[in-house]
Amino acid sequence: SQQGEEDPQALSIQEGENATMNCSYKTSINNLQWYRQNSGRGLVHLILIRSNEREKHSGRLRVTLDTSKKSSSLLITASRAADTASYFCATAIIVDYKLSFGAGTTVTVRA
Amino acid sequence: NAGVTQTPKFRVLKTGQSMTLLCAQDMNHEYMYWYRQDPGMGLRLIHYSVGEGTTAKGEVPDGYNVSRLKKQNFLLGLESAAPSQTSVYFCASSHRDRGLMGSNQPQHFGDGTRLSIL
Repeated sequence: SQQGEEDPQALSIQEGENATMNCSYKTSINNLQWYRQNSGRGLVHLILIRSNEREKHSGRLRVTLDTSKKSSSLLITASRAADTASYFCATAIIVDYKLSFGAGTTVTVRA
Repeated sequence: NAGVTQTPKFRVLKTGQSMTLLCAQDMNHEYMYWYRQDPGMGLRLIHYSVGEGTTAKGEVPDGYNVSRLKKQNFLLGLESAAPSQTSVYFCASSHRDRGLMGSNQPQHFGDGTRLSIL
């Protein structure tokens, strides 16, 4: 079963706007990772945030983690057409070699 | 630097046929994974390997077998293909975190194999 679930399922925004998507999970985690998938391609790693971290930044990306609510958010600022993709959260539980992926959020950035 | 390479990229099979999907990585990663991706379901783990000569079952292992005879290669086999195995298959690899057991490092993905079974 999927550990992480993204919300919303789909998001359409204008170029230059910010995009926010959320991920909720069910059990305690070791870390949470966000990935991007462009159409017809494999997943690309964006950010890994560990359970003892609350916020991480990478360029125009900001990820937060609230372990008390078992949720994470990914913010993309000043979106560009190239940000059009599906975004997935994935959770890793302690002493387990696997990642559990959610179903993803499809983001469309309109020019 | 090729990263993770999957072959073939596309394949059409008839029910009952067998085939092997090949994954090769050139990053000296210890861990390797096979996923399938179906519409609206995200990625589901089929099998994984934490080192040469070792494999383990994931979430949906039935109908698949794997082998990791060399560190850089991870093979996924379908012994008798079924229409339910029509999917996009992704291979991924990652480093082993020296300090901790588990999946503590980013995974690197190939571009997938699109498999249709008629």
